[in-house]
Amino acid sequence: DIQMTQSPSSLSASVGDRVTITCRASQGISIYLAWYQQKPGKVPRLLIYGASTLQSGVPSRFSGSRSGTDFTLTISSLQPEDVATYFCQKYNNAPLTFGGGTKVEIK
Amino acid sequence: EVQLVQSGAEVKKPGESLRISCKGSGSSFTNYWIAWVRQMPGKGLEWMGIIYPGDSDTRYSPSFQGQVTISADKSINTAYLQWSSLKASDTAMYYCTRQPYSSGWSDYWGQGTLVTVSS
Repeated sequence: DIQMTQSPSSLSASVGDRVTITCRASQGISIYLAWYQQKPGKVPRLLIYGASTLQSGVPSRFSGSRSGTDFTLTISSLQPEDVATYFCQKYNNAPLTFGGGTKVEIK
Repeated sequence: EVQLVQSGAEVKKPGESLRISCKGSGSSFTNYWIAWVRQMPGKGLEWMGIIYPGDSDTRYSPSFQGQVTISADKSINTAYLQWSSLKASDTAMYYCTRQPYSSGWSDYWGQGTLVTVSS
């Protein structure tokens, strides 16, 4: 099965900072990668699918990109409401594996 | 508006059976896939499997094959996740999600069902 490795596992940044989270697939998955946000005690929410397509209603400060088997979620200007754990998920075929998550906190 | 409403929290003993549910509304339930996702306490997300309620086509993650059963009743827009013999390690939050494709992202999520297994 394809493994999804997320890094870092946690980060602390200041409000207004640019934040980057990476997800690496152990094999090629084309653009079949989604990103989710899970705020503390809440249900996960879809942010991005197709590696870079923003889900309706998601703020434009979130963006996604792909370079080969490396995928990046970028928050262009971190806001207090962005405190959450972020997960990537590959969905090219079953099992639809999630990455281990990246916890984002405010410094 | 699409909604997935899950059944309430459960407290069970090891060895007991359990079935939790996920009722869909607001879209054609039989035209999408329903997935189940496990989140153990303080841990990440694990995709368990999916079902297409229209014809009950079901696929499991190898990690969960044989451990749980996914089913659906399209007449009442409801999907199910069941265990025949619970273990303490089944303690987790379980989410149902809607996937537009069998290999697709989860665009809508249920509120989650907390299952606690303890003697």
